[in-house]
Parts: sequence; C-alpha cells; structure tokens
Amino acid sequence: DGGITQSPKYLFRKEGQNVTLSCEQNLNHDAMYWYRQDPGQGLRLIYYSQIVNDFQKGDIAEGYSVSREKKESFPLTVTSAQKNPTAFYLCASSEQGNLEYEQYFGPGTRLTVT
Amino acid sequence: AQSVTQLDSQVPVFEEAPVELRCNYSSSVSVYLFWYVQYPNQGLQLLLKYLSGSTLVESINGFEAEFNKSQTSFHLRKPSVHISDTAEYFCAGSTGGGNKLTFGTGTQLKVEL
Repeated sequence: DGGITQSPKYLFRKEGQNVTLSCEQNLNHDAMYWYRQDPGQGLRLIYYSQIVNDFQKGDIAEGYSVSREKKESFPLTVTSAQKNPTAFYLCASSEQGNLEYEQYFGPGTRLTVT
Repeated sequence: AQSVTQLDSQVPVFEEAPVELRCNYSSSVSVYLFWYVQYPNQGLQLLLKYLSGSTLVESINGFEAEFNKSQTSFHLRKPSVHISDTAEYFCAGSTGGGNKLTFGTGTQLKVEL
C-alpha cells in the first residue's frame, strides 16, 4: 500500500534532549512538509522540502531542524532550543510543491516532553 | 498575508440534520481553498478543494462548499449528517501560485443521535 508512515505514534522525552521524528513516503512525491498541531491553533508549517537536498523554513522553524537526503524520507529533529515542544506533529507529501497538488498526511506523532 | 478564519470551534448537530461549517479568508489576489477532515488521533484527509472554475465544489461523501468571492467565504455544507461525520474539519488556503497552506483553527463537528 502506498502512503506516508510516521513513527513512533507516541514519543516521550525529557526536557533538554533532542528527538528525531521519522517520516517516510512511498508515493514517489517530490515535496514533503512538517506541521505542528496544537489544540485550538490549527496546523502550523515548520519546514518544507520541494526536492531532495533542498528545504525551506516554514512559519515556526525555530528550534527545529530537518534533512532531505533521500526522496522518500524527511526526518524532523526537535532540539532542546524549542521552548514548547509538546505537540502533535504531522508529516505530509505532495506530488509537487505547487498547491494544485493534494497534500497527503501521515498519521502523526504525539510528542510529550516533561 | 493570507489568513483563514473558522469562527466556530464546535458545532453540535443531530443526525440527519443539515450543517454548515463557516470559513472566511482574507486575500487581495486569487486563492486556492481547501477543506480537510481529521478523525481522532489521525492525520488529515482532503475533503474538497477550489482552485478555479465552478464556485461549487463537491466531495464524494455528500459535503459541498461554495467559493464566494464577494463575501470572501468558503463555507462547508452537508444537507444530512451521519454519526460517522463526527470529526474536526479544517479550512485552509493559499495565495494562487504560492506553495504554503495557511490553516484555520478547526471546527469540531459532533453529530448526536
């Protein structure tokens, strides 16, 4: 089955630790995205990548880092510099970066930092 | 800058009743508009989209939305809801030619028996 996988579904970390969230897609899509979802705030874009080895900051990139070494993978690292990391993180991909192409979302990772 | 507003955070409705979820956008240029649905602890699924052309767009499960340029709205409607429609609905938009979506804060639709 084609789709987007995010692992793990739930992740717990201590404050001050970096943590990497996995996102893999087998849809052969060029573009990939990371969003953060908080209750009552909708989704906010963290980073996006339109092609391998290239990525751009979204609206709330501070405290996060990404890499895009392979077309199918777009891992997100939540660093200790992120002041409020507890949230639901969603990865998405689309055939191309133009918004005429539908974004397909993964099931999400719920990160809790204490 | 593009912004999307969903005025209702929660909408309770009885099964088989009609429902309207409101979405307004702000933009001085042409826009792309989308409605996504999210079931508990899952990712988002595209429900329908407006890119250009006919102002009334429909989804396969009975939802429809109308692009209204004069009122800068893209409200989502369904004439008769089912218990399985209980979910959170997000309106999203982007300035035409852009590659970033701006999401509204979401509306929780709760269908009751």
